[in-house]
Amino acid sequence: DAGVTQSPTHLIKTRGQQVTLRCSPKSGHDTVSWYQQALGQGPQFIFQYYEEEERQRGNFPDRFSGHQFPNYSSELNVNALLLGDSALYLCASSSAYEQYFGPGTRLTVT
Amino acid sequence: QQQVKQSPQSLIVQKGGISIINCAYENTAFDYFPWYQQFPGKGPALLIAIRPDVSEKKEGRFTISFNKSAKQFSLHIMDSQPGDSATYFCAASSTGANSKLTFGKGITLSVRP
Repeated sequence: DAGVTQSPTHLIKTRGQQVTLRCSPKSGHDTVSWYQQALGQGPQFIFQYYEEEERQRGNFPDRFSGHQFPNYSSELNVNALLLGDSALYLCASSSAYEQYFGPGTRLTVT
Repeated sequence: QQQVKQSPQSLIVQKGGISIINCAYENTAFDYFPWYQQFPGKGPALLIAIRPDVSEKKEGRFTISFNKSAKQFSLHIMDSQPGDSATYFCAASSTGANSKLTFGKGITLSVRP
């Protein structure tokens, strides 16, 4: 059983550009959450998707948007990238209680 | 405002010893408390979790102790091994585990051979 998968593994972008990150949830999971983890910090909640709708949102600007597809996979889009957006972006999937994380996408903005 | 606080910031333990990591929370609406383990370059892995209706939960070498009145919970790693060397995060959420997780800053555990 494949766990949560994310692509790409690493990404380098320039300030002002746009980026799309992808996540496939663990089999049987219908809820996807996205987190941003800065170096040396704990993950910070960005938003959560369930039934293709954004169900909860953390304290992130509208430059951060997402989507969930009918097969429960999800995308995170970030527009007008800033240097401060450099971080590890984590996707977590869940169906009931526990949230399981993918390996993350390391985004570097130069 | 940091809603979940971990202590200590780092921990060094000898092989075979007990590692103890503490966590304090502020939001009394929190009702789910997981611990995650993260190795460099990897995503956090769920270790063990507890709900406030029990004071202790044990899974293998890992035990969570929960004190609702003090709004604190802790992770105990028995017979610590070098392979346990990693960053440990406590987290909390309310109204069920599908709600957002609020994480502590993490502590780095080093287990010396």
